[in-house]
Amino acid sequence: DGGITQSPKYLFRKEGQNVTLSCEQNLNHDAMYWYRQDPGQGLRLIYYSQIVNDFQKGDIAEGYSVSREKKESFPLTVTSAQKNPTAFYLCASSFRRTGDYNEQFFGPGTRLTVL
Amino acid sequence: DAKTTQPNSMESNEEEPVHLPCNHSTISGTDYIHWYRQLPSQGPEYVIHGLTSNVNNRMASLAIAEDRKSSTLILHRATLRDAAVYYCIVRGSQGNLIFGKGTKLSVKP
Repeated sequence: DGGITQSPKYLFRKEGQNVTLSCEQNLNHDAMYWYRQDPGQGLRLIYYSQIVNDFQKGDIAEGYSVSREKKESFPLTVTSAQKNPTAFYLCASSFRRTGDYNEQFFGPGTRLTVL
Repeated sequence: DAKTTQPNSMESNEEEPVHLPCNHSTISGTDYIHWYRQLPSQGPEYVIHGLTSNVNNRMASLAIAEDRKSSTLILHRATLRDAAVYYCIVRGSQGNLIFGKGTKLSVKP
């Protein structure tokens, strides 16, 4: 079955540690996205990538880093510079067909808690 | 991207229709209207989108006002599984989605 997987589902980290969240898709999508969601709030865009080896900052990129070495994978690293990293992290992907609608497909999310 | 305004919450009875409103008075002529929903503890899922004409799919209908400054997502028969946060997003055919707080829909049995 095609889809997006995120691992782990729950992640605990000590303050001051870097942690990497995994996102993999087998939908042959060109674009991938990372969002952060805080309780009772909407989603905020952290980073996005339209093609392999290229990515752009979203609205709240400070304290985060990404890489896009493979089309299928877009890992997110939450660094110790992120002041308030406890949140629900969502990965999404989509096609980039010009002139067509490109809906985003979301993974199940990773809930990160900093202890 | 155009800003949208949605009620914070709505309630519905099971098996009754639900009309979820969205105002987007600053929408431009090339902006699409998108609806996504997010079930508890899950990622959002696409519901429907439209540009000018009303749209129907297996999940819902989208009614777009003639001036395009507002739209309504219609769930024809709400079920308990439709309880979710519904996001109305206005954006061009390209570009990133901007999620507001959405409307939290509760469905009573």
